[in-house]
Amino acid sequence: EADIYQTPRYLVIGTGKKITLECSQTMGHDKMYWYQQDPGMELHLIHYSYGVNSTEKGDLSSESTVSRIRTEHFPLTLESARPSHTSQYLCASHERGGNTIYFGEGSWLTVV
Amino acid sequence: GDSVTQMEGPVTLSEEACLTINCTYTATGYPSLFWYVQYPGEGLQLLLKATKADDKGSNKGFEATYRKETTSFHLEKGSVQVSDSAVYFCALSDPGNQFYFGTGTSLTVIP
Repeated sequence: EADIYQTPRYLVIGTGKKITLECSQTMGHDKMYWYQQDPGMELHLIHYSYGVNSTEKGDLSSESTVSRIRTEHFPLTLESARPSHTSQYLCASHERGGNTIYFGEGSWLTVV
Repeated sequence: GDSVTQMEGPVTLSEEACLTINCTYTATGYPSLFWYVQYPGEGLQLLLKATKADDKGSNKGFEATYRKETTSFHLEKGSVQVSDSAVYFCALSDPGNQFYFGTGTSLTVIP
C-alpha cells in the first residue's frame, strides 16, 4: 500500500477563490506529480517535481502553480478558481530509480 | 516517443463472463508495463505489473503477459464479478522512469 495522502477529498468553492490542494507522502519519494482527470477519463499531467526546489510544467497547460519545499509535500494552488477548473486532481509519487508510480485518492474540485 | 494504446470502452459484461482488455505499446527501450485500476471516486491503484519480456503479472484473478514480439500487455480475467466494475489503465515506464498512461477502459459488470 502506498502512503500518499490528499486533502481535501471533496471541495466546492466559488469562482475567484484561491484554493490549495495538499499532497503528502511518507515514503521519501523524490519524484511527485499532479494529474488532472475528468471522471473516468484519461490522465493529464499538469505538474511534476524531481525533488526539493524542482518543479516543472506538464503536458497540459494549467493555471495552477506548485511548490516543493519539502520532499514529502507537493501542494497545488489555484489563485483564482474558475468553473473550467472543475475536475479531479490526482497526486502521485515514485522513488528515484523505482519503476512503480503510486497515487493518492484524489481531490474532487467543483467551482461554482 | 513512447506511448500506450488501449481498447476503447465502455465494456459491459455479465457476471462470470471472460474479460480481455487490449493494450499495446510503443517504446524505444525496454519498458516496464502496468495495469492500474480506478474504482469510482478513488485514485488509481496498482493492479499488476511486469518488468521484462514474457513476465506474467497477476493479482485478484487478473493477469497480463508482457509480449515483446507483439508489443502487447492485454489484461485478462476468466470470470468477472460486479466488484470488478471500474476503469482500467494500461501504463508503461521507460528506462528513464517516465510514465505513459493509456486513455482508460471503463468496465461495468452486471449481475
